[in-house]
Amino acid sequence: GQQLNQSPQSMFIQEGEDVSMNCTSSSIFNTWLWYKQDPGEGPVLLIALYKAGELTSNGRLTAQFGITRKDSFLNISASIPSDVGIYFCAGQGQGTYKYIFGTGTRLKVLA
Amino acid sequence: DGGITQSPKYLFRKEGQNVTLSCEQNLNHDAMYWYRQDPGQGLRLIYYSQIVNDFQKGDIAEGYSVSREKKESFPLTVTSAQKNPTAFYLCASTAGGRGDTQYFGPGTRLTVL
Repeated sequence: GQQLNQSPQSMFIQEGEDVSMNCTSSSIFNTWLWYKQDPGEGPVLLIALYKAGELTSNGRLTAQFGITRKDSFLNISASIPSDVGIYFCAGQGQGTYKYIFGTGTRLKVLA
Repeated sequence: DGGITQSPKYLFRKEGQNVTLSCEQNLNHDAMYWYRQDPGQGLRLIYYSQIVNDFQKGDIAEGYSVSREKKESFPLTVTSAQKNPTAFYLCASTAGGRGDTQYFGPGTRLTVL
């Protein structure tokens, strides 16, 4: 099955640093979702994007729906230890009920 | 509280046995989904259902079966035909399916001994 290209695969950063990650697709999406998953838990929705060019924030998190509708970006500002986890993107194309998921970005924050 | 529940959290079975994983939602969502997650991997779609009494195969349906007799319930059976069933299984739902936000349950970790 198709999966999105998500990068980077993993990141080790210092507390207080900003973080950027992105997802790219070969096909156009109408919806982009960003999730965070802690070990052994289900993914928790962070941000939902529904329109090309849309920029949405949730606290220290900001995500953007790419103009081409084939990519999306997630930024985390001033990282803290509890930001540790795996971040997934997910996209949904037109006329389908299926979501396609990225391979995840593993974030570790060093205090 | 509204949400998605999956039970049990941990499940152990002997090889060759069928096992059914429970997923219940009280969000009044129409669409429900089952995903499989392997260590260090993303989520792969097993089955999804848009409405009651209807469901479609996802990318890795072989060795699995589902039913959707009630709107709030979407159980997944892992059959003995599934060659590598040990994994983390996640259930999700959306209100209408297309263009809607997808919410996840807490997951069930299945270990086949």
